[in-house]
Amino acid sequence: DAGVIQSPRHEVTEMGQEVTLRCKPISGHNSLFWYRQTMMRGLELLIYFNNNVPIDDSGMPEDRFSAKMPNASFSTLKIQPSEPRDSAVYFCASSREWGEKLFFGSGTQLSVL
Amino acid sequence: SQQGEEDPQALSIQEGENATMNCSYKTSINNLQWYRQNSGRGLVHLILIRSNEREKHSGRLRVTLDTSKKSSSLLITASRAADTASYFCATNNQGGKLIFGQGTELSVKP
Repeated sequence: DAGVIQSPRHEVTEMGQEVTLRCKPISGHNSLFWYRQTMMRGLELLIYFNNNVPIDDSGMPEDRFSAKMPNASFSTLKIQPSEPRDSAVYFCASSREWGEKLFFGSGTQLSVL
Repeated sequence: SQQGEEDPQALSIQEGENATMNCSYKTSINNLQWYRQNSGRGLVHLILIRSNEREKHSGRLRVTLDTSKKSSSLLITASRAADTASYFCATNNQGGKLIFGQGTELSVKP
């Protein structure tokens, strides 16, 4: 079991650029979550999917953020255009069943200059 | 808005002592979960307690849940330096959301 795989591990970009974060959940898991972690705001739930369908995206901060899950083994979180305040660690997590324990990826450290 | 709030924000103890962290929440839940995060790493699930359970054990971990007070506690017994990490509670509500608190930073000194 390879665990939840996120890429890239680190991303440094300039303000205004498009950023795409990728996540491969654990095979057989049917729920996927995107979180953002900062010192000031802690762990924020951005969006979550169940069976590839977005259930709640109320945590997505602005229209600049979008997330997709085209199939059960892949999800992306896109920021366009990026801003310095988007700098954070972005985590993807998956669970076997709705509402059960989450398995987290190692995160993507995003720095927007 | 955050559902779970941990207390204390930071805790420093000596190896061998017990560490207790508390979590309070606001709305009804299906279950409450505790996670651990080492610096620079992803979160790791520790234990899940359902709304109809009052206490659960896993190794040196003991979790209690009081739904009438909307609170939970995590006890780590006989702490070790390797237990140094941040600990988060997360509440799972009716809609399947898992919302995390701000965490307790635990430091165990050898």
